[in-house]
Parts: sequence; C-alpha cells; structure tokens
Amino acid sequence: GAVVSQHPSRVICKSGTSVKIECRSLDFQATTMFWYRQFPKQSLMLMATSNEGSKATYEQGVEKDKFLINHASLTLSTLTVTSAHPEDSSFYICSASGSELGWYEQYFGPGTRLTVT
Amino acid sequence: QKEVEQDPGPLSVPEGAIVSLNCTYSNSAFQYFMWYRQYSRKGPELLMYTYSSGNKEDGRFTAQVDKSSKYISLFIRDSQPSDSATYLCAMSAIPSNFGNEKLTFGTGTRLTIIP
Repeated sequence: GAVVSQHPSRVICKSGTSVKIECRSLDFQATTMFWYRQFPKQSLMLMATSNEGSKATYEQGVEKDKFLINHASLTLSTLTVTSAHPEDSSFYICSASGSELGWYEQYFGPGTRLTVT
Repeated sequence: QKEVEQDPGPLSVPEGAIVSLNCTYSNSAFQYFMWYRQYSRKGPELLMYTYSSGNKEDGRFTAQVDKSSKYISLFIRDSQPSDSATYLCAMSAIPSNFGNEKLTFGTGTRLTIIP
C-alpha cells in the first residue's frame, strides 16, 4: 500500500501558541488530503478536505480560522492549530488519496497526538 | 441518529475463534464499504473494500454487504493475537468527482484475541 507520514508524532504546547502538523505522501501524488480528529474511544471525525492548489473545504462546525490547512504540493499538506487551547488536545490523523489509486483508497498517516497545557 | 452505527465492544474472543464485526447504516446512497484496522496510537489501515452488495474474501477475512438490510459484516477466521485492534467500518457514496470522496466512519469495535 501507499505510505503516508506525519510529523510530529506527538507534541505538547502551551495554551495560546500555534502548532503545525505535516502530512506527506511518500510514494504517490496525493491529489486529495483529508484531516481527521479522533477522541479516545470515538470514531474519526472529518475536519476538512483539501485538494492540491485549492482552498480546503471544512466540515460544518470546524473553525477554518483556527485550523488552517495548506495543501501546496502533491506530497505535502499542513494543519496549523492556531491559538491552541486544552480542548484542542486530541489525536489528529491525515489521509491521502491520489488519482493513480482507486478513488476509495485513502491511506492514513500514523497520527499526531496534540496535548495543550 | 448516526449515519453509521457500530457496536464499540470491547469484544474478547479466544485464539482460533471466528470473529464477526458488524455495522448498520441509514444512508441508502452509500455504495462503497470499507473495513479499516487501527492499532493503538496508529493510523487506520485499509483491510478490505466492497462495492454494493455481496461477499469478498481475502485470506482469513471476509466482508459481506447486504444493502437491502443496510448491514455490513467483517468475519475473521482462525483469529490470531495479532488481530487484536480496533476495527472501523467506513462507507461512501459514489463521488461526483475525484477529490470529493468523503468517508463516513463507524465508531470502531475494539477486538482482543486471547492466546
């Protein structure tokens, strides 16, 4: 299967600071990248969908000014949590799909554990 | 009502047993059905996908879809301790164009295979 990496794997930051999470497709061109949030013992909640070179499409209830998504290249998307607060602490996972793959095939990164103190 | 319902478990079975995992859904537009396996503190890994109704087998894994009942299943034969993970079902309608293929996930079932 295709490989997606995320960096960092875990990060601890102070309330009010911003944190950037990177998502990279290592062996395919990611036409579309998805950002999810997962709370303990809960399912994946889609936050936004980004297509390379376009503005991200955010799901209802997700603050676009707080969760900034950039998909500037076919192998890299970034999620920046701005002015983080303790309630933003969560497991953030990206996934990627590409036109050379089956459209239903989303490959997930290993996730980033964010803790805001 | 959630679009996709999945029993969160936890489910514990002895090694070698047959495991049955299930999801129900309410959106009749769903056409593609996937099963993902997620180990602790890792991202989900695509196990199997099925289009529309029917069965699909891959080694010890069998996926079944019954669209008339809006019910999907994943069976694991000869279960192994390494199968211990959270299993998530996911489904999607046919996207209008590539890049618009949102998946809707179940909550996941935590499975433990006891040696």
